[in-house]
Amino acid sequence: DAGVIQSPRHEVTEMGQEVTLRCKPISGHDYLFWYRQTMMRGLELLIYFNNNVPIDDSGMPEDRFSAKMPNASFSTLKIQPSEPRDSAVYFCASSLKGTGTGELFFGEGSRLTVL
Amino acid sequence: AQSVTQLDSQVPVFEEAPVELRCNYSSSVSVYLFWYVQYPNQGLQLLLKYLSGSTLVKGINGFEAEFNKSQTSFHLRKPSVHISDTAEYFCAVSKGDDKIIFGKGTRLHILP
Repeated sequence: DAGVIQSPRHEVTEMGQEVTLRCKPISGHDYLFWYRQTMMRGLELLIYFNNNVPIDDSGMPEDRFSAKMPNASFSTLKIQPSEPRDSAVYFCASSLKGTGTGELFFGEGSRLTVL
Repeated sequence: AQSVTQLDSQVPVFEEAPVELRCNYSSSVSVYLFWYVQYPNQGLQLLLKYLSGSTLVKGINGFEAEFNKSQTSFHLRKPSVHISDTAEYFCAVSKGDDKIIFGKGTRLHILP
């Protein structure tokens, strides 16, 4: 059974460019989470969806960040325009239930470098 | 709001020695507690979780953790580590509202 699939695994771009990160959750999982991992701030929850609907986006840093989930099998996280401080590893995770009692399944992450 | 503190950013330990990774949490309500492990260049995976019941929780790879409500702690232990345990370990807390908050992680270095 395939796990959470993220693409690209690595992205190097220049400041000001648009970046789109993609995620395919595990089939049947109702929840999808986007996290950002940096050395300074650790793992931060950016946004999460339940049944394709955004529930909490309070962790999204600013208007340059947006996330969508057009269907149950696909989500995107977009940064436009990108800045060097956006460099991080971005993880997508899915869960059958909410995180309260359920288990989060993480993808392998997308490492973003903004020059 | 709840928070998680992992007191040690790095822990070196000799192979076959015991290890304890410390985690303290703060919350005004009952919480669920988790330990996740991240191997190099991989995503996180669940090691163990405490939801209710017995305060001693056993997880995969020989790890266990003990929930201590009075000390608001959830320390992770293993009696004998192996080189394959080299990873970063994250303590996490949730109050059951679909949001999980992670600590900053503890890197476990296994020395030969």
